[in-house]
This record gives sequence, structure tokens and C-alpha cells, in this order.
Amino acid sequence: NAGVTQTPKFRILKIGQSMTLQCAQDMNHNYMYWYRQDPGMGLKLIYYSVGAGITDKGEVPNGYNVSRSTTEDFPLRLELAAPSQTSVYFCASSYGGRKREGQSGANVLTFGAGSRLTVL
Amino acid sequence: QQQVKQSPQSLIVQKGGISIINCAYENTAFDYFPWYQQFPGKGPALLIAIRPDVSEKKEGRFTISFNKSAKQFSLHIMDSQPGDSATYFCAVPTDSWGKLQFGAGTQVVVTP
Repeated sequence: NAGVTQTPKFRILKIGQSMTLQCAQDMNHNYMYWYRQDPGMGLKLIYYSVGAGITDKGEVPNGYNVSRSTTEDFPLRLELAAPSQTSVYFCASSYGGRKREGQSGANVLTFGAGSRLTVL
Repeated sequence: QQQVKQSPQSLIVQKGGISIINCAYENTAFDYFPWYQQFPGKGPALLIAIRPDVSEKKEGRFTISFNKSAKQFSLHIMDSQPGDSATYFCAVPTDSWGKLQFGAGTQVVVTP
């Protein structure tokens, strides 16, 4: 199994350009997430999805858009790149789902290897 | 949006020593508290997780201690090894579906 695959690994954009970060998972996970990681700031949730056709905002959604047309894919769109969007972006997926009483096991997030984006 | 406070920001420990990382949260009513480990150039990966109805969980050299009343939990790395050098993140579930809020991370360096 490939797990969570992100492309591209590296990208340099000019201010105002647009691009899409691709994310695909082959684990049939319901939940998918986009995080950004900045030095000393941890991982901030941008958007998440609980299934195909359903998306919702996280902590830092401004400047980004997502779609979820299939279970496997969850692309992240940057419409007008700004220097503040320079970051490392991680896609993750998990089984998710509301826990029943006594159900054991953590909701384990599987992360991709990341996409490093620089906006100049 | 609740705060998840993780400390220290970084630590250096000698091989064989103990690394201790702390995490404090404001509110959660949900089911587990994980620690993730991240090596340079890689995505984070689950290291160990604990349910709030137990006070301690041990897996090999890694132990989570959980204090529900104080809303704190910590990661102890016993007999630290150079291969443990990584960034560690605590995370707190923010809803019953398992969505997580992460701490700022602790960079651990284990010297030979």
C-alpha cells in the first residue's frame, strides 16, 4: 500500500499565482485533512473532509479551497499565492467516525510526506 | 478554539537519559490523547496514544502519563537513543469524530 501520496514535493510560486496540491490515499479512509506546518507553530488544520462531497473549514482556511469528489482524493487549491502561504503542507487521512461506547482504538492519522511550498 | 500548550520547545539529552515533554489542554471530552513523532523530511507518525480513563501507558521505552484533573499529559522517553532524535507533537481530540489539534512540537536531540 502506498498510504497517503502528496504531489509535488517542492514548488516555488510567484505572488498571485495559483496551484493545486494533490493528495491521494489508498486505505479507503473516510476522513482526510490538510495541515500546514510552520517552524515553532506545530500543525494547523486548514480544511478537512469526512467523506466524498463533504468538506469543512479548519483553523486557518483563508486563502485555500478544497474539494472531495472521491474517497481517495483531496486536492488543496491556492488561488492567489501570498508569501504568508510559504509553508510545508501535509495531507493526512484516517478512518474517523463517531466512537461507540467502549470502542477501543485511537483515530490514527496517516500523514503524507509533505509538500514544501515557497511563495516569492 | 482551545489552546494546546506543549513544552519545552526543544531539549537536548544524552544517550541513555530521560526525555520528558509536557502537554496541557483546556477542554476536551473525547476519547484518546496521542503523541506523534516526526523525522526530518517526513510526515508525523503516531507514536503512542492513551485513553483518558487510564493514568499511564507504556510501550517499550515510551510512556504517556495522563492527569485528567490537571488537563495535562506527558511523554517520557526512557534510555533515550540517537535514533529518537525527532520532533514530537502532542495532540488533543476536538470532537467525537477524532479531529485533532496539535501542540507546537518539541525538537528532541539525543547526543551520543
